[in-house]
Amino acid sequence: KAGVTQTPRYLIKTRGQQVTLSCSPISGHRSVSWYQQTPGQGLQFLFEYFSETQRNKGNFPGRFSGRQFSNSRSEMNVSTLELGDSALYLCASSLGPFEVRETQYFGPGTRLLVL
Amino acid sequence: AQSVTQLGSHVSVSEGALVLLRCNYSSSVPPYLFWYVQYPNQGLQLLLKYTTGATLVKGINGFEAEFKKSETSFHLTKPSAHMSDAAEYFCAVSDRGKDKIIFGKGTRLHILP
Repeated sequence: KAGVTQTPRYLIKTRGQQVTLSCSPISGHRSVSWYQQTPGQGLQFLFEYFSETQRNKGNFPGRFSGRQFSNSRSEMNVSTLELGDSALYLCASSLGPFEVRETQYFGPGTRLLVL
Repeated sequence: AQSVTQLGSHVSVSEGALVLLRCNYSSSVPPYLFWYVQYPNQGLQLLLKYTTGATLVKGINGFEAEFKKSETSFHLTKPSAHMSDAAEYFCAVSDRGKDKIIFGKGTRLHILP
């Protein structure tokens, strides 16, 4: 069974631009969570989607948004990029919603560099 | 409020020696606790998790962790380190009733030949 895939793997953008990252979960998984990883702040939860609905959101500004499609694939969007948005963005999928604490399987991440 | 503290951003052990990575948490309710490992240029992989029941949790790759409520700790151990254990390890906590997870800053484990 294929793992979680994330595209693109690397991305370079300039301040003020917007970016869309994609995540394809493991087949059959309906929950997708997004995380931001930076050297300074570590790993921080962005949001979780289950069955096309956002169930939880971390403490990030409204420039960070996401959605989930009927096939469980998810995208996250960051508008008006700032230098501080440079990070590794990780996606994780699980069978059920996070509340049941099922094992999350992580993708390799998308490394975003904002210049 | 939930928080996680991992003592030591870098830990070095000799191959074959005991691995001990420390994690302390704060939580107002009985928590769920996790240990993840991250290899270079990869995502996180779950090593083990504590949800309820037995406080000694066995995970993959020979790792185990013990939930000690009185010490608010969830330290990760492995009896004998292997070169392939070199990676970054993250402890995480999630309160029951709150669908969010808080990660520690991570501990990079170095294995000395």
